Amino acid sequence: GAVVSQHPSWVICKSGTSVKIECRSLDFQATTMFWYRQFPKQSLMLMATSNEGSKATYEQGVEKDKFLINHASLTLSTLTVTSAHPEDSSFYICSARISGRLPEYNEQFFGPGTRLTVL
Amino acid sequence: GQNIDQPTEMTATEGAIVQINCTYQTSGFNGLFWYQQHAGEAPTFLSYNVLDGLEEKGRFSSFLSRSKGYSYLLLKELQMKDSASYLCAVTDSNYQLIWGAGTKLIIKP
Repeated sequence: GAVVSQHPSWVICKSGTSVKIECRSLDFQATTMFWYRQFPKQSLMLMATSNEGSKATYEQGVEKDKFLINHASLTLSTLTVTSAHPEDSSFYICSARISGRLPEYNEQFFGPGTRLTVL
Repeated sequence: GQNIDQPTEMTATEGAIVQINCTYQTSGFNGLFWYQQHAGEAPTFLSYNVLDGLEEKGRFSSFLSRSKGYSYLLLKELQMKDSASYLCAVTDSNYQLIWGAGTKLIIKP
């Protein structure tokens, strides 16, 4: 149980285009999902916290107009990288918390990640 | 500020034991997680500690001392497949998960 999927697993796009990444919890409901970015040989960097039915909370330094997050249902959150540039090339990973769990038990279940390459 | 410290890299021999330390200074504490991450893959859950002491799970054990702001992950009978990064993460008083930079573990035959 507690499986999270991401689609696509990798994408190559031209500079200036937009890319949408989907994150789905397959066998549980997730009120809260998280989006991370990871550059090579670096640790996870939290970009934003996505809450179902409300606006995402972005970490300092992350442009909310560039990284659009939509969490329309309890099983789906999407991240859209708008007007992508080569510096946006990275490994994007989503994770989800099981709804109803105690907040202090903050276990996150991770999707397999999406590797974005912007030419 | 909030800070989690882990060694950047460690090397160990197949079949041996290795201990990866993690120290933290966070605004409050609501539990500590260890995750394993293989290169190019997403992290996977290893352990969770919220009370002091040792939690054992097969070849992996995790220890916590809240008074010292310290945890370690102990890996026994190392296998080549254990070569990965190990991430320490702490839930703070706002229930935010604060991540360490990770420890890259290299296993040599």
